[in-house]
Amino acid sequence: EPEVTQTPSHQVTQMGQEVILRCVPISNHLYFYWYRQILGQKVEFLVSFYNNEISEKSEIFDDQFSVERPDGSNFTLKIRSTKLEDSAMYFCASRPLTDTQYFGPGTRLTVL
Amino acid sequence: GENVEQHPSTLSVQEGDSAVIKCTYSDSASNYFPWYKQELGKRPQLIIDIRSNVGEKKDQRIAVTLNKTAKHFSLHITETQPEDSAVYFCAATDRQGAQKLVFGQGTRLTINP
Repeated sequence: EPEVTQTPSHQVTQMGQEVILRCVPISNHLYFYWYRQILGQKVEFLVSFYNNEISEKSEIFDDQFSVERPDGSNFTLKIRSTKLEDSAMYFCASRPLTDTQYFGPGTRLTVL
Repeated sequence: GENVEQHPSTLSVQEGDSAVIKCTYSDSASNYFPWYKQELGKRPQLIIDIRSNVGEKKDQRIAVTLNKTAKHFSLHITETQPEDSAVYFCAATDRQGAQKLVFGQGTRLTINP
């Protein structure tokens, strides 16, 4: 069964550094999402992407964040200048035309 | 936008007993309600979902009920087993925009042998 994949599984970075989190959604899916989960808390929506553009973003998704789908398979989340409070698990998800979203295994981002 | 509340935050049951987790949502336009199970350090895994055109759905030991009038939905796990221990999240689709999922706060379910 196809799955969403994410790399790296764990990223450690210094405050102020840029990070790029990578996702490969399921191949025939059309909608792509990034969510984050701070340790012990609920999953929160960051951004959605459809038809090569952002379709919705949350208040968390400020100017430090950007997303790209540089080719037909990858979907990336960039954080330009990381802050301590960006430390979290970041999940990519994708879905076809139907409602069901499939989550990747996550990237644990640790900002020191 | 949508808001989802989930209760209880922790639940401990004896193996073999049933567990019930409840969620309420705010937006009457929401029409899709998935439940995810998350084991420690792992991705959320969809275990069951329900759409607003039905009131109940079952899959072996797991069932979900939906009351559209009251805007609440519940997860029922029967004959619980130790491997059911995990954090369970309910969610609702926010119909405004890109149909993002809005999650509840999660329930840590512990099955005691």
